[in-house]
Amino acid sequence: AQSVAQPEDQVNVAEGNPLTVKCTYSVSGNPYLFWYVQYPNRGLQFLLKYITGDNLVKGSYGFEAEFNKSQTSFHLKKPSALVSDSALYFCAVRALNSGNTPLVFGKGTRLSVIA
Amino acid sequence: DGGITQSPKYLFRKEGQNVTLSCEQNLNHDAMYWYRQDPGQGLRLIYYSQIVNDFQKGDIAEGYSVSREKKESFPLTVTSAQKNPTAFYLCASTPLTGAGDYGDTFGSGTRLTVV
Repeated sequence: AQSVAQPEDQVNVAEGNPLTVKCTYSVSGNPYLFWYVQYPNRGLQFLLKYITGDNLVKGSYGFEAEFNKSQTSFHLKKPSALVSDSALYFCAVRALNSGNTPLVFGKGTRLSVIA
Repeated sequence: DGGITQSPKYLFRKEGQNVTLSCEQNLNHDAMYWYRQDPGQGLRLIYYSQIVNDFQKGDIAEGYSVSREKKESFPLTVTSAQKNPTAFYLCASTPLTGAGDYGDTFGSGTRLTVV
């Protein structure tokens, strides 16, 4: 069975400081990994994904994520946080070559960037 | 512009009523999904469909029903058997690929409240 853990319900960071939102996963075989962002009363917006290749993935709005197979992690990072980054962030996983089986989501991490 | 349209944005249900949430996509995606979002619980899968006239139960299907008569449409009915339907409902879709390397595209959601 696939699963995703986001160990922090809330992350607070000062504007201009680097941010990290943590994600670990469990899947049989190799994973496809995704990060989404959700603003209040809106759907989820795709940020980035890891499929294969370079372990550092760059995505939208200056976000990036690092895939670490040995630690089964896919942490989301940004070098300099903005107040507008404040939102709910979801990590999701799907096993390689599993077709269109549904993504498995973590419970989300609320990021608060303080001016 | 291509996308997923969910309607209505807000919906109020009286006790004992069935209500139907609409989800339409013009992305030519094969697979469609319904998720329920409650505070602190992330996204939970209700139903999904990979082809027309076929659908599968997710983790919390009890009290819900769906149909997939057209590729573009995947309506969700919340029946009176669902005892706690107040939640934010999200519809998503993705193209059918054997690899599963596409993420989901999400609608803007429907907030259902029991009155």
